[in-house]
Amino acid sequence: DAGITQSPRHKVTETGTPVTLRCHQTENHRYMYWYRQDPGHGLRLIHYSYGVKDTDKGEVSDGYSVSRSKTEDFLLTLESATSSQTSVYFCAISESRLGQDQSPLHFGNGTRLTVT
Amino acid sequence: SQQGEEDPQALSIQEGENATMNCSYKTSINNLQWYRQNSGRGLVHLILIRSNEREKHSGRLRVTLDTSKKSSSLLITASRAADTASYFCAFKAAGNKLTFGGGTRVLVKP
Repeated sequence: DAGITQSPRHKVTETGTPVTLRCHQTENHRYMYWYRQDPGHGLRLIHYSYGVKDTDKGEVSDGYSVSRSKTEDFLLTLESATSSQTSVYFCAISESRLGQDQSPLHFGNGTRLTVT
Repeated sequence: SQQGEEDPQALSIQEGENATMNCSYKTSINNLQWYRQNSGRGLVHLILIRSNEREKHSGRLRVTLDTSKKSSSLLITASRAADTASYFCAFKAAGNKLTFGGGTRVLVKP
């Protein structure tokens, strides 16, 4: 298994509170991604990073911010959590940029977030 | 809305039978990938097929790609209880994005 650790694995929080999810990798891969998985929507990309301090938005980025201060860590922050952000969040990494070298994604085991 | 669709949404078979699931998409693609997800775990990459390939094998997995029909199929031969999982196709269209289908839940009964 690729060395990807997500923390926490489960979290329950109240509407309006800030939440930060952490993804830590030991593979030294350049590219890191945050996805959310919801029934009926599959996996949707929130944000991704192509290097330290280099990030970009995905298809469902509203309400989320990210930071990458070190190669191994990619943080996802919900500034003010809403019930619509209840989901399972997955971090993924890849060695090369999606499409250019057609490298697959390696996923962490997810964080189940419930916003009450 | 998703640009990829998978069918069936769920599949139940006996151990030893073959399982076939299909993925359709709407845009031109560079490659198509299949992933497996066990309950409570992240997705695991199974196989990648490039747009200029028609068929690819990996162990008990066989993937076909028909770009004229914009569809792909994943066949698992001689299924085992351990193959019980959800299976997702994902395709790389233009831009830096990998689009995932909605998945097929496969139950292999011993």
